[in-house]
Parts: sequence; C-alpha cells; structure tokens
Amino acid sequence: GENVEQHPSTLSVQEGDSAVIKCTYSDSASNYFPWYKQELGKRPQLIIDIRSNVGEKKDQRIAVTLNKTAKHFSLHITETQPEDSAVYFCAAPNDYKLSFGAGTTVTVRA
Amino acid sequence: KAGVTQTPRYLIKTRGQQVTLSCSPISGHRSVSWYQQTPGQGLQFLFEYFSETQRNKGNFPGRFSGRQFSNSRSEMNVSTLELGDSALYLCASSLAGVTGELFFGEGSRLTVL
Repeated sequence: GENVEQHPSTLSVQEGDSAVIKCTYSDSASNYFPWYKQELGKRPQLIIDIRSNVGEKKDQRIAVTLNKTAKHFSLHITETQPEDSAVYFCAAPNDYKLSFGAGTTVTVRA
Repeated sequence: KAGVTQTPRYLIKTRGQQVTLSCSPISGHRSVSWYQQTPGQGLQFLFEYFSETQRNKGNFPGRFSGRQFSNSRSEMNVSTLELGDSALYLCASSLAGVTGELFFGEGSRLTVL
C-alpha cells in the first residue's frame, strides 16, 4: 500500500519568512497530491493540490512542487503570516485509499 | 450549500460497548471516506464508499465497519470498544473519491473509558 512520509514534524518560522514541508510517497502509480491545512479545533481543508502531469502549481503565497522521478512533493509558503499557523498534511491516493503524512505543525512567530 | 454533517459530535462510551457514527455528505457527492485522527497517529484511512460500495478499507480490525445508503449518507460502527479507539472520527465527502478535493465534517469525538 501507499506510504507517505512527511518532514519536518514541527516548523517554527519568523513572520515574513518562507516555510517548506516535504513529503515522499512509495507508490509510483499515485497521480494526485493534495495538501490539507487544519487549524486548531477545526476540520482539515484543502489548500492546494497537484496532479502528476504538472511539476509545479502556485496559488498566491503557496505553491506545490512535484518530482515524480524521486517520488516527492513539497509545499512552499512564502511571506508567512500568523494565520498560516496550523497543522499541514500531505496525502497520496492508491486504489481508492488516501494515505496522509503524519502532519507538520507550523508556528509563525510575530 | 450545506456542508458535511457528522453526528454525534461528542460521545463517551465504556470498554466493550459499541458505537455508531453518522455522516451526511454534501448534496451530490457520492463518495464518503472515513478517517481516524489521533495525536500520535495523524489521519488514518478507515474506508471509502461510493454509491453504496466499499472500494477500499484501511488497516483496522474487523471491529470497524461501515456502510453507505442509497442517499449517500454513511455510517460507521465500532464494536467491542477499546481504550485505544478514543479519537476524532472524521468523514469526508467528494465528487471524485480520494483523487479529488475532500470536504471534511467537523468530526465525532469518541472517548472510551
């Protein structure tokens, strides 16, 4: 089955700096890679996703890059703001099953 | 449109009891998937249903089961509860299954004493 590893588990950044979270997956058949953000006490929400036919996707201050050869994808947050503080999960599907990374707790220091 | 609704939001059970959780998806969504969230294990996939068919199941014991009805509403059941079953159970609905955006409910927080 799919195995998704996510690093780092915690990340503390100064407001305005960038944050990068990396995930690796095992199943080469995976072709969809979403990122979910979960604020404290709230439900996870999709913030960005990428499909295997593209290498990079941007949406304002967030971007995702995908390297299918190396089987890894990354989330980039630029110009971090206090509202970016949350837990971020990467995921990869395999045969109608979605495997999540263990999560990264991002803290943005004012 | 209304979001994903999960009931009950909170419940307390004792070991050995069983529990049924309910999930009403967004109208038009035929895929419902369930996840167990714990501080130490993150989000663990339980199962996914599409048009009343279970298409995959995660690595959980047989005590965990689910079903989906013709109106796409889904239930999951945990029998013979153990202390380790204490968790937040999240369901999510989507149009395309797990290869598309998931819309999560607020979850059902289960405490097993």
